[in-house]
Amino acid sequence: DAGVTQSPTHLIKTRGQQVTLRCSPKSGHDTVSWYQQALGQGPQFIFQYYEEEERQRGNFPDRFSGHQFPNYSSELNVNALLLGDSALYLCASSPGTSGRRDTQYFGPGTRLTVL
Amino acid sequence: AQSVSQHNHHVILSEAASLELGCNYSYGGTVNLFWYVQYPGQHLQLLLKYFSGDPLVKGIKGFEAEFIKSKFSFNLRKPSVQWSDTAEYFCAVKDTGGFKTIFGAGTRLFVKA
Repeated sequence: DAGVTQSPTHLIKTRGQQVTLRCSPKSGHDTVSWYQQALGQGPQFIFQYYEEEERQRGNFPDRFSGHQFPNYSSELNVNALLLGDSALYLCASSPGTSGRRDTQYFGPGTRLTVL
Repeated sequence: AQSVSQHNHHVILSEAASLELGCNYSYGGTVNLFWYVQYPGQHLQLLLKYFSGDPLVKGIKGFEAEFIKSKFSFNLRKPSVQWSDTAEYFCAVKDTGGFKTIFGAGTRLFVKA
């Protein structure tokens, strides 16, 4: 049973560029959340997708957008990259059928460096 | 706004010592509470969770946590740590009416053999 997978593992971009990160949820899970973890800090919630819709968003600018596909996989897009966007981006999946008592399973993350 | 505070950023213990990591949150409503662990080179894993019922919850590897509603706290404990418990520990809170999980800044635990 594959867990949550993310690609790529590492990415280096320059300021102003755009980036797309990908996530495949754990088998049987239909809900995907994205987090940003800066160095020395805890993960910060970006948004959650369920049934291909964003159903809650954290305090992130519109430069951060996402998408969920019919197979429940998800993408995180970041436009106009800033140096401060350098972080580990985590994807977490959960079985949406449990409602608000979902337990999240995290992937290994994508390390984004913006130069 | 909700927030989570973890009292210690770094903790160093010798093997067999007892562990208590503090976690306080600010939110007046009903919450779900979690402790996650990140071992060196591995990704975040759930250690234990509280949704309702008995405020003393037991997790994997001998860890337990107690939810004290009046103190807005959810402290993590282990009676005797091992070298393999060296990791970073994160406390997290979710409003039961929403889908957003808020994490603390984490506590790095180093256990000396």
